[in-house]
Amino acid sequence: QVQLQESGPGLVKPSQTLSLTCTVSGGSISSGDYYWSWIRQPPGKGLEWIGYIYYSGSTYYNPSLKSRVTISVDTSKNQFSLKLSSVTAADTAVYYCARVQLGYSYGHDYWGQGTLVTVSS
Amino acid sequence: EIVLTQSPGTLSLSPGERATLSCRASQSVSSSYLAWYQQKPGQAPRLLIYGASSRATGIPDRFSGSGSGTDFTLTISRLEPEDFAVYYCQQYGSSRGYTFGQGTKLEIK
Repeated sequence: QVQLQESGPGLVKPSQTLSLTCTVSGGSISSGDYYWSWIRQPPGKGLEWIGYIYYSGSTYYNPSLKSRVTISVDTSKNQFSLKLSSVTAADTAVYYCARVQLGYSYGHDYWGQGTLVTVSS
Repeated sequence: EIVLTQSPGTLSLSPGERATLSCRASQSVSSSYLAWYQQKPGQAPRLLIYGASSRATGIPDRFSGSGSGTDFTLTISRLEPEDFAVYYCQQYGSSRGYTFGQGTKLEIK
């Protein structure tokens, strides 16, 4: 059974960089059948896709966040990571990592439990 | 960017009833790339339907999806108590990015 687990600081100061890591277990991040996504959800609001990465390192980002986002992959650790720079209170959200199943028409079939990141001084 | 608009915002029904949730796109969406998710409080979303009408692994057959072009529907044939949750539609576009609808809350009447 595939499992994803987010980790990282729960509190980030305004203007700083938010950094999160997603550890994948029960499957290889190097499989060509998947992309690996980051998605966020502000408290009480809907879902916003941030971006995804392929095991080769190819990335695609939400155009509205592209200037501030970097997603990277470490296949040796079976992890992928998110960096979001110049954060403000508007970046406060639960951040999820998720697997994109290419065989499921690019649906997100496995998700981490989510981690709340608060931006505050 | 394709905008997905879900309706109604809140749907109040009783167990055993039929639920019909709508997702309308601002421009045509490939039905191959339209998905539906269920989210319960404090939990991550769960993939229900992909490719507009295919159920994901383990999803009961009371859940069904349909539609094409700009209009898509999620139907729950007979509501069970565990079905009351928020539902999101999602599209994967030719631009290789994703957008989500704003969600429909299905609540017990």
